[in-house]
Amino acid sequence: RKEVEQDPGPFNVPEGATVAFNCTYSNSASQSFFWYRQDCRKEPKLLMSVYSSGNEDGRFTAQLNRASQYISLLIRDSKLSDSATYLCVVNDGGSYIPTFGRGTSLIVHP
Amino acid sequence: DAGITQSPRYKITETGRQVTLMCHQTWSHSYMFWYRQDLGHGLRLIYYSAAADITDKGEVPDGYVVSRSKTENFPLTLESATRSQTSVYFCASRYRDRGYPEQYFGPGTRLTVT
Repeated sequence: RKEVEQDPGPFNVPEGATVAFNCTYSNSASQSFFWYRQDCRKEPKLLMSVYSSGNEDGRFTAQLNRASQYISLLIRDSKLSDSATYLCVVNDGGSYIPTFGRGTSLIVHP
Repeated sequence: DAGITQSPRYKITETGRQVTLMCHQTWSHSYMFWYRQDLGHGLRLIYYSAAADITDKGEVPDGYVVSRSKTENFPLTLESATRSQTSVYFCASRYRDRGYPEQYFGPGTRLTVT
């Protein structure tokens, strides 16, 4: 069983739309959480960390729900340039090895 | 330039040949990682290293060899390349400090084995 699950999509949305992705994780000992963005098989790049209290960076909001073991990413006012694959990444406290989800594909169209 | 680099960026080789992919980072990160990425599989960990001279297997280590004689370098060798090793290979690094758990990735090497 995959430890970090994501809906692969694709999520196909018009410019200006709001879109949300969820990611579930199985290890309740997980302590740090991230969203990475990956463009067209280029290297993954850190988009944002996910804090317990939730955090926002411009149009992007990340939330953590420890009770239900999922994290979410909300993108408001989608831009064409947001088209990418979004990877959910989870670290448990005892390991230096992160677990990656397979990613959710987002396509923003005019 | 500071950061993490990989070379070559593109490589075509024949089945049975030995190939070495290079990874170099200038941050003095303790941890370094090698991943491969194939359609339908996401990122899969091949090997990782906690420090110079300390390496360990990941999820898919068969057919690969690594070494880490210096903190900044982490080469990955395919001893006898097979077509199933055609993939995009990413190197990554991170600090040992648990307060900085983010990984940073190199630009990748696209390897084709014919």
